[in-house]
Amino acid sequence: DTGVSQNPRHKITKRGQNVTFRCDPISEHNRLYWYRQTLGQGPEFLTYFQNEAQLEKSRLLSDRFSAERPKGSFSTLEIQRTEQGDSAMYLCASSSGGSGRETQYFGPGTRLLVL
Amino acid sequence: GQNIDQPTEMTATEGAIVQINCTYQTSGFNGLFWYQQHAGEAPTFLSYNVLDGLEEKGRFSSFLSRSKGYSYLLLKELQMKDSASYLCAVSDTGGFKTIFGAGTRLFVKA
Repeated sequence: DTGVSQNPRHKITKRGQNVTFRCDPISEHNRLYWYRQTLGQGPEFLTYFQNEAQLEKSRLLSDRFSAERPKGSFSTLEIQRTEQGDSAMYLCASSSGGSGRETQYFGPGTRLLVL
Repeated sequence: GQNIDQPTEMTATEGAIVQINCTYQTSGFNGLFWYQQHAGEAPTFLSYNVLDGLEEKGRFSSFLSRSKGYSYLLLKELQMKDSASYLCAVSDTGGFKTIFGAGTRLFVKA
């Protein structure tokens, strides 16, 4: 297994456009997380899936953001009507969901620039 | 509220030892993580503490005191490649949500 992968790695879009990012977690991991990170800050939690169920969503996430994990494998994060403030690195992470340590393994991220 | 504090920047010399502190206040606690993040890259896992005490792994050690809400990451025999941001993160009860600090940027100079 090659770890968590994310596509695209970079995205430039105009304000008002919709964008969709994809995350493929480590195959045996049933927990999947999305984070947003801006320069000089740590990752900020957006949402979390266990298998196909979205169990938690940050209150900071506006209605323009939606995430899915339809078959409990890959996940997509969509941002509608993008704004310049959405420019950030979007990170996906996965974990095994076993008892005890819940180490999250991160993908390379998708860097979004909204013009 | 939930808060994680760590110094913004630190500078150390190649071959030396550096300690990066982290204090936290969270509603739940299911473990504390340290991640390393090089500029433009994703965070990579370094260490995990859930019980009080010191965990050692090669040149890196991490300490936790749950009663004090305090942890530190100790890096020994610093190398230039250790120049990176070091993120302290606390896992909420149940491990569903992880709160990250803003990170400490470490500069290792020759």
